[in-house]
Amino acid sequence: EVQLVESGGGLVQPGGSLRLSCAASGFTFSSYEMNWVRQAPGKGLEWVSYISSSGSTIYYADSVKGRFTISRDNAKNSLYLQMNSLRAEDTAVYYCARENYDILGYYYYMDVWGKGTTVTVSS
Amino acid sequence: SSELTQDPAVSVALGQTVRITCQGDSLRSYYASWYQQKPGQAPVLVIYGKNNRPSGIPDRFSGSSSGNTASLTITGAQAEDEADYYCNSRDSSGNRVVFGGGTKLTVL
Repeated sequence: EVQLVESGGGLVQPGGSLRLSCAASGFTFSSYEMNWVRQAPGKGLEWVSYISSSGSTIYYADSVKGRFTISRDNAKNSLYLQMNSLRAEDTAVYYCARENYDILGYYYYMDVWGKGTTVTVSS
Repeated sequence: SSELTQDPAVSVALGQTVRITCQGDSLRSYYASWYQQKPGQAPVLVIYGKNNRPSGIPDRFSGSSSGNTASLTITGAQAEDEADYYCNSRDSSGNRVVFGGGTKLTVL
């Protein structure tokens, strides 16, 4: 079964750090680009970060650039999100999602999602 | 603010057809993908590309695109289709991913 399982969420004080993990199974993890997407309470989906299959290309949303770092370990079938200098507005459910795309580059889509891990930033 | 614009809420009578739209400049370069999210659950991909449905998605879901507007159509809406729907694509630069603000669908 194709599956993504996030972990590492919790309660952290403003200015603190947290590292999220996403364990992949049921597919060849090293062949896929991956994303982190978050959802603040009662709000919509917000893309956070992207990493290519090899890890050589990385993108961030402006809201987290300079504070968050995405990485992956293809040998461990795992995706990570290191979150530093956390703010109250980072409070959200964080999802990892597998990306797929059309070879011609006309469309990209996230076809597998984890159940999410909750991050709460509060004093 | 989202670079993809969706109506916040749409309603449809049971069994009728509803169209949910998504507008943005990036849709002139990329097809949108669409996700369904029910309360307390992760998003589920329902449409991608020109009009492709993942395995297990009912054929009452379809997608279309024209200019800077993508549409998700549900033909014969069912009670279980009541959910939030999000569109998504790359931005015009191709270096960022963008989501629409979401549309809450109510099935009456």
